[in-house]
Amino acid sequence: AQSVTQLDSQVPVFEEAPVELRCNYSSSVSVYLFWYVQYPNQGLQLLLKYLSGSTLVESINGFEAEFNKSQTSFHLRKPSVHISDTAEYFCAVSEPRTDKLIFGTGTRLQVFP
Amino acid sequence: NAGVTQTPKFQVLKTGQSMTLQCAQDMNHEYMSWYRQDPGMGLRLIHYSVGAGITDQGEVPNGYNVSRSTTEDFPLRLLSAAPSQTSVYFCASQDRAYGYTFGSGTRLTVV
Repeated sequence: AQSVTQLDSQVPVFEEAPVELRCNYSSSVSVYLFWYVQYPNQGLQLLLKYLSGSTLVESINGFEAEFNKSQTSFHLRKPSVHISDTAEYFCAVSEPRTDKLIFGTGTRLQVFP
Repeated sequence: NAGVTQTPKFQVLKTGQSMTLQCAQDMNHEYMSWYRQDPGMGLRLIHYSVGAGITDQGEVPNGYNVSRSTTEDFPLRLLSAAPSQTSVYFCASQDRAYGYTFGSGTRLTVV
């Protein structure tokens, strides 16, 4: 069965500093990987996804994630964060065969001025 | 194009009451699912459907029923509400090329 581990429940960081949110998954087959963002009191928005091809994927607002099959990881990074990046970030995995999307427990990113 | 629409946005129930959370999508997606979100636990899959007439259980199905009579609608029923079902509920539909689209959520409190 699939599972997702987000090791950090909270990540505090100062504005303009780099950040990495860690995500590891467990699956015996090929997977699709996703990062979703949830701003306070809102629903979930897709940030970026890996389906196949290039292992480095980017979002329109400066985040990137790299699929590492040997490490079973899909860490999310941003070289310089903004106050507006304060949100909860969820890593998720699905298997192409089942389409079920399984989430990690989330990482709350708090950006301080 | 409304995407995924959930109603109601807020609901308070007494223990033992029943209710239905509504979910509708206008994207003609075959795959739909229900999640609950609780602090520190992320989103957990309750039930999902791969098409009209087909449903299956997720990680936490107890206390919930679903049906899928049309492609557009995927209601979630609480048969006898319990305080442990206090949560935020999200409905989602999926397109394989794009991924999942989530509704705005229903905040349910059971007293």
